[in-house]
Amino acid sequence: AQSVTQPDIHITVSEGASLELRCNYSYGATPYLFWYVQSPGQGLQLLLKYLSGDTLVQGIKGFEAEFKRSQSSFNLRKPSVHWSDAAEYFCAARSGGYQKVTFGIGTKLQVIP
Amino acid sequence: DTEVTQTPKHLVMGMTNKKSLKCEQHMGHRAMYWYKQKAKKPPELMFVYSYEKLSINESVPSRFSPECPNSSLLNLHLHALQPEDSALYLCASSLSQGGTGANVLTFGAGSRLTVL
Repeated sequence: AQSVTQPDIHITVSEGASLELRCNYSYGATPYLFWYVQSPGQGLQLLLKYLSGDTLVQGIKGFEAEFKRSQSSFNLRKPSVHWSDAAEYFCAARSGGYQKVTFGIGTKLQVIP
Repeated sequence: DTEVTQTPKHLVMGMTNKKSLKCEQHMGHRAMYWYKQKAKKPPELMFVYSYEKLSINESVPSRFSPECPNSSLLNLHLHALQPEDSALYLCASSLSQGGTGANVLTFGAGSRLTVL
């Protein structure tokens, strides 16, 4: 079955420190991959997406993600975290030709001063 | 206009009430979606409309009734809900259903529903 796994439910980082959120997928073929961010009580905002080609993708708010086929991973990174980055982060995937998106369980990011 | 607008932002209803959630987009998207999100959980797909026709119903109870009056509007009619239906209801849209990865979901801010 198709699945997206985010192994870290909760992560705490200090402001200014680097961040890496992990995401692994299990699909028959490489899916389209996405990272969304959700602030409390809000909808989901797309941070970035991997469709094909360059395995390092840049997104909004200074985020980037690297697709690694050999590891079935799509990890999200940011070199220096700001207090405003505190939110829930969802990794998601979708097969080509089918619109149902599979979401990971989410990683809650806490940023401490 | 690159937004999906949902109203109301908050809704409190009794189990015998009838209410509706509304969603609007003016991006020319032809696929629209309803998701349900419980606290500390990822969004769960409920319905998909493609070109104003119901395309996917994820076995949602009949007390939830979707409607797509035109390509810009999506409604979710609520009747005889249960307290466990309390959740954040998210609307989303995309250029079309399926196809290339360019069909990325754009989400609204959600409607927070509380059923008493």
